[in-house]
Amino acid sequence: EIVMTQSVATLSVSPGERATVSCRASRGVSINLAWYQQKPGQAPRLLIYDASTRATGIPARFSGSGSGTEFTLTISGLQPEDFALYYCQQYNEWPLYTFGQGTKLEIK
Amino acid sequence: QVQLQESGPGLVKPSETLSLTCTVSGGSVSRYYWSWLRQSPGKGLESIGFIYFTGNTNYSPSLKSRVTISIDTSKNQFSLKLTSVTAADTAIYYCATDGRVAAGVLDYWGQGIPVTVSS
Repeated sequence: EIVMTQSVATLSVSPGERATVSCRASRGVSINLAWYQQKPGQAPRLLIYDASTRATGIPARFSGSGSGTEFTLTISGLQPEDFALYYCQQYNEWPLYTFGQGTKLEIK
Repeated sequence: QVQLQESGPGLVKPSETLSLTCTVSGGSVSRYYWSWLRQSPGKGLESIGFIYFTGNTNYSPSLKSRVTISIDTSKNQFSLKLTSVTAADTAIYYCATDGRVAAGVLDYWGQGIPVTVSS
């Protein structure tokens, strides 16, 4: 099983600033990596797939990068509604996909 | 816009069977893959398995012996059964679509249903 590690559990950033969320895979997953946002009491919401492709309706301030084992989700110009939990997920070994433990983005 | 809605009991007794249904609207279950996942504080987000409209299924190796996922195309629903539950199966259960953009990418989710295993 590929283990996805989000080593930062909580990230504190000020509104309007840029946030960078990192994710590492225990072995290479090519670009088969997605990012999800989850707010309290809600289901995860797909933001990015194929490491850098924004899902339908996702604002341009969300961007993804990386390949292999190192990935980054960047949120530029943080809006109040962006403070949430963020998960990475590898699907390179579909149907055995796995998620990271999540990074909480909180207001500084 | 595809919408999914989970339904079923929120409380299940230990050793009994957890049964949930996901009703799909705005789209047909006769395309793509239809998944069940769960989320608990201890284990995070975990895949349970999925079904294709043909009836082909795939289950998580850790749950395979206890899981059955089925589909009813006439009702546009798919279902989850998890047998011999324990407290470790307490979680929020989600249904989701898989494969609309790429295999493994979950682009539509239900709101989730909390299930507690307790006597």
